[in-house]
Amino acid sequence: GAVVSQHPSRVICKSGTSVKIECRSLDFQATTMFWYRQFPKKSLMLMATSNEGSKATYEQGVEKDKFLINHASLTLSTLTVTSAHPEDSSFYICSASRGLQTKNIQYFGAGTRLSVL
Amino acid sequence: AQTVTQSQPEMSVQEAETVTLSCTYDTSESDYYLFWYKQPPSRQMILVIRQEAYKQQNATENRFSVNFQKAAKSFSLKISDSQLGDAAMYFCAYRRRASGTYKYIFGTGTRLKVLA
Repeated sequence: GAVVSQHPSRVICKSGTSVKIECRSLDFQATTMFWYRQFPKKSLMLMATSNEGSKATYEQGVEKDKFLINHASLTLSTLTVTSAHPEDSSFYICSASRGLQTKNIQYFGAGTRLSVL
Repeated sequence: AQTVTQSQPEMSVQEAETVTLSCTYDTSESDYYLFWYKQPPSRQMILVIRQEAYKQQNATENRFSVNFQKAAKSFSLKISDSQLGDAAMYFCAYRRRASGTYKYIFGTGTRLKVLA
């Protein structure tokens, strides 16, 4: 149990286009989802916390208008990188947490490698 | 603010031997969770082990165990009988127990190499 699916696993796009990444909890309801960015050989940097039915909470320094997060259901959160530029190229990872009465474990997707040309 | 420090960027261990990865953290909270996650070359983050701060007993999961020293704010991971499949990046993570705050704070990671 506790499987998180992230799609696509890899995307290449032209500068100026928008890219949507999906994160789905397959066998549980995720009241909270998280979006991270990971640079090569670096740790995970939390970008935002997404709660179902409410606006995402962004970490300091993360542009809300650049990285749009939607958590419309208990099993799906999306991250849209708007007007992508080469500096947005990175590895993006989502995770999901089961809810208030949880073991407080985050379950991670397999990540999306974004390359902006 | 809480911080997590992993002072070993890279470690090596011979297959079948034991290795210990260190993690220290700083917090003013008394109740929290600590985790070790493994990130193999596939980049999929996998939970290795979890410790609740209010529990004195060290967590164990098969070949993986922790040495949790709350007063020293230390949370090391011991891997016994190391296997080639253990080669990965290992991240230590902290999470407050208080409700409404679910985010993790990650350390910078330790790359573990397992030598055949």
